[in-house]
Amino acid sequence: DTEVTQTPKHLVMGMTNKKSLKCEQHMGHRAMYWYKQKAKKPPELMFVYSYEKLSINESVPSRFSPECPNSSLLNLHLHALQPEDSALYLCASSHPGLAGSSYEQYFGPGTRLTVT
Amino acid sequence: GNSVTQMEGPVTLSEEAFLTINCTYTATGYPSLFWYVQYPGEGLQLLLKATKADDKGSNKGFEATYRKETTSFHLEKGSVQVSDSAVYFCALRNTGFQKLVFGTGTRLLVSP
Repeated sequence: DTEVTQTPKHLVMGMTNKKSLKCEQHMGHRAMYWYKQKAKKPPELMFVYSYEKLSINESVPSRFSPECPNSSLLNLHLHALQPEDSALYLCASSHPGLAGSSYEQYFGPGTRLTVT
Repeated sequence: GNSVTQMEGPVTLSEEAFLTINCTYTATGYPSLFWYVQYPGEGLQLLLKATKADDKGSNKGFEATYRKETTSFHLEKGSVQVSDSAVYFCALRNTGFQKLVFGTGTRLLVSP
């Protein structure tokens, strides 16, 4: 099973709302990722968690707040977003990536976020 | 630094035509190379991978060979189908790093 699930599939929120995106995997992966993808562009890395600890933050604005409650779950909390934050948000997971490994990332279907 | 360059799209083909999507990379060390496919309205799916020079990745009729001498990882398929219409991303991941470096993507349109 190489499935990563994400909820919700679609989300519309106002600029003053607080919402959360959820991601789950049961492949035993200990690295999980959040990406943002704008139309006709490749995914852009936002955050990486390794062994439930934040290991990479690609200078993401604080209105995006990630959380990794356990090894299977990853959340992205959203607050005071701007219309330009509208995008497809993708979650991915992999083995943590030791030196010499090629561990590929498996992606979820994404959450289509619209900020009004 | 690490980077991936893909051919500009869209690539427009008729069904059963031969497909090549070019991908070249720049990297220090010995990266692993990947092709991902994204169908409309969906996430990315891993299509194939190669981990060292001269490795050939293959899946669903698609193939790509890791060519270190030309720093390339071109995607090929002998006979495309309408259902192959999608965006294809070439990506690399360098040893010891978790970050995937993506190319800009190439849109493939296959007509009946």
